[in-house]
Amino acid sequence: NAGVMQNPRHLVRRRGQEARLRCSPMKGHSHVYWYRQLPEEGLKFMVYLQKENIIDESGMPKERFSAEFPKEGPSILRIQQVVRGDSAAYFCASSLTLGQATYEQYFGPGTRLTVT
Amino acid sequence: GESVGLHLPTLSVQEGDNSIINCAYSNSASDYFIWYKQESGKGPQFIIDIRSNMDKRQGQRVTVLLNKTVKHLSLQIAATQPGDSAVYFCAETVNDYKLSFGAGTTVTVRA
Repeated sequence: NAGVMQNPRHLVRRRGQEARLRCSPMKGHSHVYWYRQLPEEGLKFMVYLQKENIIDESGMPKERFSAEFPKEGPSILRIQQVVRGDSAAYFCASSLTLGQATYEQYFGPGTRLTVT
Repeated sequence: GESVGLHLPTLSVQEGDNSIINCAYSNSASDYFIWYKQESGKGPQFIIDIRSNMDKRQGQRVTVLLNKTVKHLSLQIAATQPGDSAVYFCAETVNDYKLSFGAGTTVTVRA
């Protein structure tokens, strides 16, 4: 069973460029979550998506950040015009939900973004 | 070995001893709690979870204790092994999906 896949694992961008982070959930999982982790800190929730729907984006910065989970293909976290403060590890998680039960979130290995 | 209080981010434990990692959570409305293990360069790995209607849950070599009165969560690892060296995070959630993570405790196992 393939786990949650993220690519690239490491991404270097210059200030002002765009960063695109991809996440393929576990097979059969239709719920995707993005978290950001700054050095020496815990993960901070950013956004929760289901196929073609953003369910909760309360943790997303209002500007420059967007996320999507299309009907086909991976979920994408997009950061436009990156700044040094965007340097962090970005983790994707996926889960399975059946009826009213939400199951545990499985995390991918993360994408480490460095803005120079 | 035991981590005491919120602000002790490291725990050093002798191989074979039991470890206790403590966590205080902030939201009294949280009803689902999870412990994650994160090794260097990797994503968090689920260890064990507990719902608020329970006060104890056991897994393989791990036990989670929940004290809702003082909003405290602990993870006990029996017979700690070198492979247990990692950062451990507690996470809480009210709505089952928006996990709120603590700052983490770094556990180092001494041979």
